[in-house]
Amino acid sequence: AQSVAQPEDQVNVAEGNPLTVKCTYSVSGNPYLFWYVQYPNRGLQFLLKYITGDNLVKGSYGFEAEFNKSQTSFHLKKPSALVSDSALYFCAVRDMDSSYKLIFGSGTRLLVRP
Amino acid sequence: DTGVSQDPRHKITKRGQNVTFRCDPISEHNRLYWYRQTLGQGPEFLTYFQNEAQLEKSRLLSDRFSAERPKGSFSTLEIQRTEQGDSAMYLCASSSTEQFFGPGTRLTVL
Repeated sequence: AQSVAQPEDQVNVAEGNPLTVKCTYSVSGNPYLFWYVQYPNRGLQFLLKYITGDNLVKGSYGFEAEFNKSQTSFHLKKPSALVSDSALYFCAVRDMDSSYKLIFGSGTRLLVRP
Repeated sequence: DTGVSQDPRHKITKRGQNVTFRCDPISEHNRLYWYRQTLGQGPEFLTYFQNEAQLEKSRLLSDRFSAERPKGSFSTLEIQRTEQGDSAMYLCASSSTEQFFGPGTRLTVL
């Protein structure tokens, strides 16, 4: 069965510093991986996805993610954090049955302090 | 606005009452999903439609839950005889390549 894990409940970083939010996955076959962000009382906003190709994927709002097959990881990164990046971040993997439903991690709260 | 919309945004009900939520997907998307998100957790899959056909249901979807997507357009999710454990955010998503989510309906069962 497909699964993702987000080992950190919360990540704290100072504004202007680089940030990393970790995600590891477990799949059979090639993974289709996603990152979403959720602001309070809002739905999820798509940030980026990895399907195939370049291991460094660039997405919205200056975020990028690095796919590492040997470490089964898909960490979210940003070179310089903004206070407005403070939100809940979810890693997800697409189920490989015909529904293509998403299987989400438990989420990581990112807090960027001024 | 051409995104996914959900109605209502908030619903407070008493235990035992029935509730119905609506989702309007992005018009050209034929795949539609319902998820449930409880506090501190990631969304969990409930059910999936391709056009008007409901093709998959999670074991989370008890017989008190029913979903429809008449004519392959909007979708409704009904919960009968609500229980306090049904309190959650109910999210709808539609997709072509990646899934786009609506703002959710937050259900509180008193």
